[in-house]
Amino acid sequence: QSALTQPPSASGSPGQSVTISCTGTSNDVGGYNYVSWYQHHPGKAPKLIIYEANRRPSGVPDRFSGSKSDNTASLTVSGLQIDDEADYYCTSHAGGNNLVVFGGGTKLTVL
Amino acid sequence: EVQLVESGGGLVQPGGSLRLSCVVSGDTFSRFWMSWVRQAPGKGLESVAKIKPDGSEKFYVDSVRGRFTIIKDNAKSSLYLQMNDLRAEDTAVYYCATEDWWRHDHWGQGILVTVSS
Repeated sequence: QSALTQPPSASGSPGQSVTISCTGTSNDVGGYNYVSWYQHHPGKAPKLIIYEANRRPSGVPDRFSGSKSDNTASLTVSGLQIDDEADYYCTSHAGGNNLVVFGGGTKLTVL
Repeated sequence: EVQLVESGGGLVQPGGSLRLSCVVSGDTFSRFWMSWVRQAPGKGLESVAKIKPDGSEKFYVDSVRGRFTIIKDNAKSSLYLQMNDLRAEDTAVYYCATEDWWRHDHWGQGILVTVSS
């Protein structure tokens, strides 16, 4: 199982929107709808913000949205806020040994 | 609210052993799949191990299979990771997390494991 591919960095100004991609293969992202996204502030517990590609857990603002097309999933953060500055990781079910595979992470900077 | 608290980390020499613990409160522990996820310094997150709610099935990443054992004690609402034959590359912050349909809903704060002589 290979890691999913994410851009190492992304940035935007407060109020703007930014989209982070997560590219896999037909064996993971393209083969299952079990794509999740996590927000991770260093030193804190990661937080689930999107699951099943486009569903938001209770309490997550609708500024966070997810989508998927073929082997690529995307996370869009709208109306950027200073507190959105964090690392973002995608994951996907990948069959095989039943463990999820993670993306390499994207550091989002809010300028 | 589900809360997870890890303990048991620290400094250990290469080849040594360590046992991580994770106590879960706030929901029925016995219904959860549970996972360990780690983050090496300067690296991304990596799934390490996963266990079925009743403990009957376990899954491991290739790099730890045969050295690490994931254990679930539903009577104590606790998850463990027994780590043997530790290597420098196992140095990481280890998180326990609940897992449901390949998503990790709840996470602990993480515990640092350092493997060094």
